[in-house]
Order: sequence, then C-alpha cells, then structure tokens
Amino acid sequence: DTGVSQNPRHKITKRGQNVTFRCDPISEHNRLYWYRQTLGQGPEFLTYFQNEAQLEKSRLLSDRFSAERPKGSFSTLEIQRTEQGDSAMYLCASSLASVNYGYTFGSGTRLTVV
Amino acid sequence: DAKTTQPPSMDCAEGRAANLPCNHSTISGNEYVYWYRQIHSQGPQYIIHGLKNNETNEMASLIITEDRKSSTLILPHATLRDTAVYYCIVRENTDKLIFGTGTRLQVFP
Repeated sequence: DTGVSQNPRHKITKRGQNVTFRCDPISEHNRLYWYRQTLGQGPEFLTYFQNEAQLEKSRLLSDRFSAERPKGSFSTLEIQRTEQGDSAMYLCASSLASVNYGYTFGSGTRLTVV
Repeated sequence: DAKTTQPPSMDCAEGRAANLPCNHSTISGNEYVYWYRQIHSQGPQYIIHGLKNNETNEMASLIITEDRKSSTLILPHATLRDTAVYYCIVRENTDKLIFGTGTRLQVFP
C-alpha cells in the first residue's frame, strides 16, 4: 500500500464547469476525510465517511459540492458550477475510527478556477 | 474553531533543538493533543500525539504539562527539511481534526 492517493494533482477549469476529484485511501482504513485549504490557512474540514456512510458535512459544503464513497473504498468529490472562490487545494485523508490513531493525508488536488 | 493557540512563526538554527509551544487551556480530560506538519505543497504529515504522558518517537518528543493546558513539540536536531508549518490540534474521541493556522518554522543554516 503506497498511502493515500489523490487524482488529479492539478486541475484548471473554467468558471461554471463541473469537476470531480478522486481519493484512494489506505485499504484497511474505514474513515475517509475531505479538507480544503487556501493559501496561508490551515486545512478546513469538509466532510467525512465511515465505510460508505457520510457521517458529517461542514456548513462550508454548499449544495454545489457532493461527495461519495460508494463501496467504502475510494471516494469522489464533485463540485458543480465552479466559482473562482472554489480555487484551493483539496486534501483527502484516511484513518481508522480510533482517537488513538492519526490521519494519513494525500498530496492533494490543486484546483484553479479561471 | 481550533482550540489551540500557537505562535505564527519561529526560527531555529540547523542542528539545534526546535521547541514549538502550544496552548490549549480549555482542553478536557478525554482530549488528545496531536501534532502535524505540512511542508510546502504537500499534505499534512502526522508527527506525534499524546493524552497525559510525554511521548517520543523517531521524529519528535511531545511534552505535556501536568495540568494539560499546554504542550511543547521538540525536534531534537532540526534540519533544513524540518522547515514547515506545524499544527497543534486537540481531538476528542474520534472527532474530526480541526486545524488552526499553525506555526511556520524556518530552519536556517
């Protein structure tokens, strides 16, 4: 297992287009998290899954954002009708559901909306 | 909101110990203290965590005060590759991690 994998690494899109990012977690991890990070800020929580169930969504996650984890393995994050304010690094992390266990983050997908 | 307070930036000479402080005065009894770091353009990397006792691993040491209201991350022999943003986070149960703005550590030659 090579860790958490995110694709693509970079995405440039025109305003109004839809984009989809993929995250492949560490295989034995049952928790999967999505974060967003803008320049100079720490990562902001967006949503997380335990297996295939989406357990929490941040109020930051507008209706244009949707995430899935259909079989409890990989996850996708889709942004519809992108806006310039969506430009950010989107980070995925996976973990076991234990307080005594840290997250493993992927390298992120950098989205630029032009 | 983040429950921790960290200085925005620190410098450290290469080869010297880097001591990064964190205040978490409202921490509750079942909250763990976690440290992550983020090197430019990469995802955050787990460093260490603890509840009450001091902890040490191959990367760092974590010193937690007896009242648990503050902690210090120690990088014993800082290298240029330790230049990064360091995040101190308190976490209850299996709650999500909430990041603040962290401390930007600059290690200089």
